[in-house]
Amino acid sequence: EAGVAQSPRYKIIEKRQSVAFWCNPISGHATLYWYQQILGQGPKLLIQFQNNGVVDDSQLPKDRFSAERLKGVDSTLKIQPAKLEDSAVYLCASSLVYGFNTEAFFGQGTRLTVV
Amino acid sequence: AQTVTQSQPEMSVQEAETVTLSCTYDTSENNYYLFWYKQPPSRQMILVIRQEAYKQQNATENRFSVNFQKAAKSFSLKISDSQLGDTAMYFCAFLGPGTYSGAGSYQLTFGKGTKLSVIP
Repeated sequence: EAGVAQSPRYKIIEKRQSVAFWCNPISGHATLYWYQQILGQGPKLLIQFQNNGVVDDSQLPKDRFSAERLKGVDSTLKIQPAKLEDSAVYLCASSLVYGFNTEAFFGQGTRLTVV
Repeated sequence: AQTVTQSQPEMSVQEAETVTLSCTYDTSENNYYLFWYKQPPSRQMILVIRQEAYKQQNATENRFSVNFQKAAKSFSLKISDSQLGDTAMYFCAFLGPGTYSGAGSYQLTFGKGTKLSVIP
């Protein structure tokens, strides 16, 4: 079974530029999560989808971050414009169903450096 | 809102010895799940072990076991016979009802992690 795929693995951009990350969850997984992991900290949830609908985006900085999950499969996370404090690893995860007793499988993440 | 606290930023253990990583959490919920995830330098987060709050019996997975104290809101991870491949960041995580009021959301909240080094 293929795991959660993310691209790119690394990205370096200047502040005020825009950037997009892509995630392909495990086939058949209805729930998709985007996490931000700043160096030395645990992952922080940005947004979670159930199929193509947003369930929770309460911690997403909506003035600069956006995410979509068209057709309930792939997802993209965009930052526009980027700030220095956005430097982090962005992790995508998926789970089969929504709710309890559902293990979240993680991708390898995208390391973003804003200079 | 749920919070997860890992009070040990770094720990080390000799190969083949036993080590215990601590985790405490704060919640007003009664039904929830707790997890320990391992994150090696490759950054891939891997589930190590999970515990259902309604189960009194502590979970065990091979060399990994937990000590779940619900009343104390404590969830520690014990690694027996430590191996070099156990070197990684370990995150304690809580899965419970989210804080978003718009729907019955479930939120997976992580602690800050403990960096474990296994010394040959």
